[in-house]
Amino acid sequence: SQKIEQNSEALNIQEGKTATLTCNYTNYSPAYLQWYRQDPGRGPVFLLLIRENEKEKRKERLKVTFDTTLKQSLFHITASQPADSATYLCALDPSSNTGKLIFGQGTTLQVKP
Amino acid sequence: ETGVTQSPTHLIKTRGQQVTLRCSSQSGHNTVSWYQQALGQGPQFIFQYYREEENGRGNFPPRFSGLQFPNYSSELNVNALELDDSALYLCASSLRQLDTEAFFGQGTRLTVV
Repeated sequence: SQKIEQNSEALNIQEGKTATLTCNYTNYSPAYLQWYRQDPGRGPVFLLLIRENEKEKRKERLKVTFDTTLKQSLFHITASQPADSATYLCALDPSSNTGKLIFGQGTTLQVKP
Repeated sequence: ETGVTQSPTHLIKTRGQQVTLRCSSQSGHNTVSWYQQALGQGPQFIFQYYREEENGRGNFPPRFSGLQFPNYSSELNVNALELDDSALYLCASSLRQLDTEAFFGQGTRLTVV
């Protein structure tokens, strides 16, 4: 069956450290994968998109990798801050170019001062 | 802010009733998707509208229906409400093009009692 999975356990790290979140998928061949941030009671906010032919993408303190062989994406936040505390969602578009996103269940990140 | 607005923000309904949720999409966006997000889960795709036509549907029963208007705003209607329909309902607008990101509204929290 088709699945997209993220670490269900919350990730607790110390301020200044690097947070690494994992997204694994099975039985999909997405042309791209997206990462969103969601704060409690709010809608998801787009962070980064990485295409299947891109190994890595960066935006400020954020870095995403995409390994189509392992069927895995890693999301890194370097020099983490308490303001980075939120739930992070990965999403893929199984049909590409349709915008009908399939989301993982999200990983909650807590950055402690 | 994304420019996508949803109303109402919160709603309490009784089992068996009907509900209409509204979404005003970001200016220039011709595609609207609706998602249901249960507590602790990622958003689940309900359906998508493109130029006033339904353009794909997730695994939701027919009592979930929608509309898109000429100005690209949209409605989600749910008939015969069940307790399990209690969730955050998210509207996302986008452009119908490759690698497009989705812009989410703040959501409508529906509670069915």
